[in-house]
This record gives sequence, C-alpha cells and structure tokens, in this order.
Amino acid sequence: SQKIEQNSEALNIQEGKTATLTCNYTNYSPAYLQWYRQDPGRGPVFLLLIRENEKEKRKERLKVTFDTTLKQSLFHITASQPADSATYLCALDMAGGGADGLTFGKGTHLIIQP
Amino acid sequence: SAVISQKPSRDICQRGTSLTIQCQVDSQVTMMFWYRQQPGQSLTLIATANQGSEATYESGFVIDKFPISRPNLTFSTLTVSNMSPEDSSIYLCSVTFRSTDTQYFGPGTRLTVL
Repeated sequence: SQKIEQNSEALNIQEGKTATLTCNYTNYSPAYLQWYRQDPGRGPVFLLLIRENEKEKRKERLKVTFDTTLKQSLFHITASQPADSATYLCALDMAGGGADGLTFGKGTHLIIQP
Repeated sequence: SAVISQKPSRDICQRGTSLTIQCQVDSQVTMMFWYRQQPGQSLTLIATANQGSEATYESGFVIDKFPISRPNLTFSTLTVSNMSPEDSSIYLCSVTFRSTDTQYFGPGTRLTVL
C-alpha cells in the first residue's frame, strides 16, 4: 500500500527565511498531490494542489514542486513568518478529481522563530 | 466559502457505549468522507459516505463498528459503536464540491473513551 514520509521531526526556521518541507511516497505516483495546513484543534485547510504532469505551482509565498521520478514533492514557504507556524500535511489523490479519499502523511510541524 | 460544522466538538464516553457524530454543510456537496486522526498519526480515511446508499469502507473499517448515514446532499452522520479506549481520536468529515478537486474539512470531533 502507498506510504508517505514527511520530515518526522519539527522544523525550526528563522523568520524571513525560506522553509522547505519534504514529502516522499512509495509505489505509484498520484494523479494529484496536495498540501494542507493544520493548526491545533482544527481541521486541515487546503493550500495547494499539483497534478502529475505539472512540475511546479505557486501561490503567493507558497511554492510546491512535484518530481514523479524521485517520487517526491517539496513545499516551500518564502519570507516565513511566525504566523506560518503549523503542521503541514502532504496528501495524495491517486485517481484525481476528488472522487476518492486522500492518503495523508503524518505531517511536519513547522516552527518559525521570530 | 462553505461552512462545515460538526457536532459534538468533543465528548468523553464510557467503554461499551456508542456516539453519533454529525456533519452539516451549508451548501450542496459532491462527496462526503469521514477520517480518523489518532494521536501522533496521520489522517486515515474511514469511509466515503454515499447519498442514499451504503457507505464505502476502507480496509480495516467495517459497517458494524462505524455505521454511516447520508440522507441528503448536505448532511452525514458517523457512529462509533461499542467504543473502547483505542477509539479515542479526532474524527473529521470532509467534503468536495462540483467546482473543485480539493477537500474541505470540518473542525473535527475529539473523542475520549474511558
């Protein structure tokens, strides 16, 4: 079955620097790969979606890359701010289109130090 | 954007009892899903709630333990039956809309079983 690995340790980044989070998966590449943010006591919030045939997507200070050869996605937050501190989840939509549920990684806890 | 609510937000229950969690959306959705997030673990898909028919369960989850209803396009319930301490978890519903491929999550229900 599909396994997803994200940085298991908390990631501490100085404010203003770029935070880079990694998502590695086994087996087949998903049609869509998504990134979510989760704050304590809340449900995940969608951030970015990248398709199998796309290499990079950007949204404001966020950038995601997708390398199906390496079976890896990188998630970047530029000019990081303390408000960016949260847990970031990588999720795979194997078939695409949102008709099936998602397979999630455990998430990376990001801490932006002022 | 749509509002997704869950009731209750949290509960403490005794072993052997059952709890029904409600998920209500303020607009019509395409798909509804139920997930579980155990402490320190990733979100795990329990089942897809199908309108007017039996839910589709993932491997490791059965209808007798997690009966699900979805009577219309905006509402679903998940029951956690005959609970044990191992069922202590956060339970989240998520939905998709016709216009998007991403999932939107409710705030979650934090369940503690004593």
